[in-house]
Amino acid sequence: KNEVEQSPQNLTAQEGEFITINCSYSVGISALHWLQQHPGGGIVSLFMLSSGKKKHGRLIATINIQEKHSSLHITASHPRDSAVYICAVGSNYQLIWGAGTKLIIKP
Amino acid sequence: DVKVTQSSRYLVKRTGEKVFLECVQDMDHENMFWYRQDPGLGLRLIYFSYDVKMKEKGDIPEGYSVSREKKERFSLILESASTNQTSMYLCATRTDGNEKLFFGSGTQLSVL
Repeated sequence: KNEVEQSPQNLTAQEGEFITINCSYSVGISALHWLQQHPGGGIVSLFMLSSGKKKHGRLIATINIQEKHSSLHITASHPRDSAVYICAVGSNYQLIWGAGTKLIIKP
Repeated sequence: DVKVTQSSRYLVKRTGEKVFLECVQDMDHENMFWYRQDPGLGLRLIYFSYDVKMKEKGDIPEGYSVSREKKERFSLILESASTNQTSMYLCATRTDGNEKLFFGSGTQLSVL
């Protein structure tokens, strides 16, 4: 069993839909990261969480430390949100990476 | 904004060649990382460095070495490239305190 599990692996939705991507982990952590990777390779860090909730524009990330679970939500989704969303957990220098969720938003 | 620059976007090399991948950052971050990314797999850590001249092995260091002579530059070296090293290589930096990661745009290396 992987130490970081993301679900779903693939998600296709219509523009405007509310999107939820989940990340569950089995190790103790000091922080959880959500990142976005567009086709062509560039990875952008969206959030770094150690507790509670963070919001940036239409993106919301939550974490429940007791349940070892985090969610990334996208409100009013748009085709430009199409990307791979990656969860990573860790402490100190090492991060354990999820395999990513490929999101496609259709116009 | 933090800028992390990788020297090449695409690189084609022959089996047995020595390959240098360069990464330069402009924000004085202590920590620098080299990852490889393959289809269907998550990012895998090759090496990281938390200070000049300091290096630590990651999860898959075999076949690779690194050099960090200056704080802003972290080089990944493939001593004798092999076809199974064909991959996307990503450099990242981070400040101390487990803060956000900043990635370069990646180098797609093909070893023929």
